[in-house]
Amino acid sequence: AQTVTQSQPEMSVQEAETVTLSCTYDTSESNYYLFWYKQPPSRQMILVIRQEAYKQQNATENRFSVNFQKAAKSFSLKISDSQLGDTAMYFCAFIPFTGGGNKLTFGTGTQLKVEL
Amino acid sequence: GAGVSQSPRYKVAKRGQDVALRCDPISGHVSLFWYQQALGQGPEFLTYFQNEAQLDKSGLPSDRFFAERPEGSVSTLKIQRTQQEDSAVYLCASSYGAHQSSYNSPLHFGNGTRLTVT
Repeated sequence: AQTVTQSQPEMSVQEAETVTLSCTYDTSESNYYLFWYKQPPSRQMILVIRQEAYKQQNATENRFSVNFQKAAKSFSLKISDSQLGDTAMYFCAFIPFTGGGNKLTFGTGTQLKVEL
Repeated sequence: GAGVSQSPRYKVAKRGQDVALRCDPISGHVSLFWYQQALGQGPEFLTYFQNEAQLDKSGLPSDRFFAERPEGSVSTLKIQRTQQEDSAVYLCASSYGAHQSSYNSPLHFGNGTRLTVT
């Protein structure tokens, strides 16, 4: 079974600053995908960024980037130039490549607040 | 449609009542998922459909939970004899491909149904 741990229940950052959200996971799988999802008050889960475990290069999407450390089973999200619209709950999620890959395992989330 | 649509947005049920939650996925999407999100938690997998076939229902917490997708499009999650522990947000998601983790087939989530059992 896989587990995903987010040890920061809440974080805050000033607008335009940079913030890093932590995520660790535990798995015996060798190939898998990792995701960061954003959930605003509307409740809709929105994909922020994704990373394939077999790729060495860290994924980047505009202001969002990850620091993927496979050996340490760590997958942190860095948000640069934080904006008020980034205020949301952020979930780290894992899915194995084998076995149909149909079950996302989510962490418990980090509530991020961007302040003026 | 433009996105995944779920209804109702809110549902209040008295303990013991049956409820039905609807999910209308993006047109043409093969895969459909249901997740349950308790307050303060991340979503947890309930069940997965590929077209009309329910390929995985391992996450359904009890036999009071039943899901169907008879024509391979709209899906209904039914909860019989609701209990207080069923209170949660129920999220539906769909994807174009048959394999969720495909890089070209990301999940699209709806806004969920918040179920409160009193």
